Amino acid sequence: GIQVEQSPPDLILQEGANSTLRCNFSDSVNNLQWFHQNPWGQLINLFYIPSGTKQNGRLSATTVATERYSLLYISSSQTTDSGVYFCAVRKGNTPLVFGKGTRLSVIA
Amino acid sequence: GAGVSQSPRYKVAKRGQDVALRCDPISGHVSLFWYQQALGQGPEFLTYFQNEAQLDKSGLPSDRFFAERPEGSVSTLKIQRTQQEDSAVYLCASSFSYEQYFGPGTRLTVT
Repeated sequence: GIQVEQSPPDLILQEGANSTLRCNFSDSVNNLQWFHQNPWGQLINLFYIPSGTKQNGRLSATTVATERYSLLYISSSQTTDSGVYFCAVRKGNTPLVFGKGTRLSVIA
Repeated sequence: GAGVSQSPRYKVAKRGQDVALRCDPISGHVSLFWYQQALGQGPEFLTYFQNEAQLDKSGLPSDRFFAERPEGSVSTLKIQRTQQEDSAVYLCASSFSYEQYFGPGTRLTVT
């Protein structure tokens, strides 16, 4: 099945810093989503982005489908950005496959 | 509007007990998914419904796991004769087209 690798596994930032999270996947996909899992366990939708670039406030994402990777950019990080960021992909009608996540800690 | 809801949020079961976990999807969402998330891992697919039809149950780990969605709305995930390895967070998601929306999960602890 499709493999999803996320890097880095852990990231510690000072409040106000910027960061880039990466997601590599092993096959062509028709669905790619980025989620933030907050400390209470809720998965929050950030982006549905099988290709192209999207921005939402301090967050933006880019997926280069032909090269099988996606990037999530967080600018001017805040303590509320802490949590685990997951990339998940789907090919055709197969199940959504998640990476292992990037655990982000933002320190005041 | 209302998101995906799940109940109970926490469940403690003694080994060997049966449990039932409920998922209320977003109104109008025809697709419903169940995932299992172990501590420190990403969610893993269990099963998928389109309306009342269970189209994929390839992720169910054993025949002790059973899911249903009889009227194409609310779904129940049942685990019979729970074992310690069943301890995890069980997540439900629904979708109208491609993007999936997740509920808050049920944390199951088997003692």
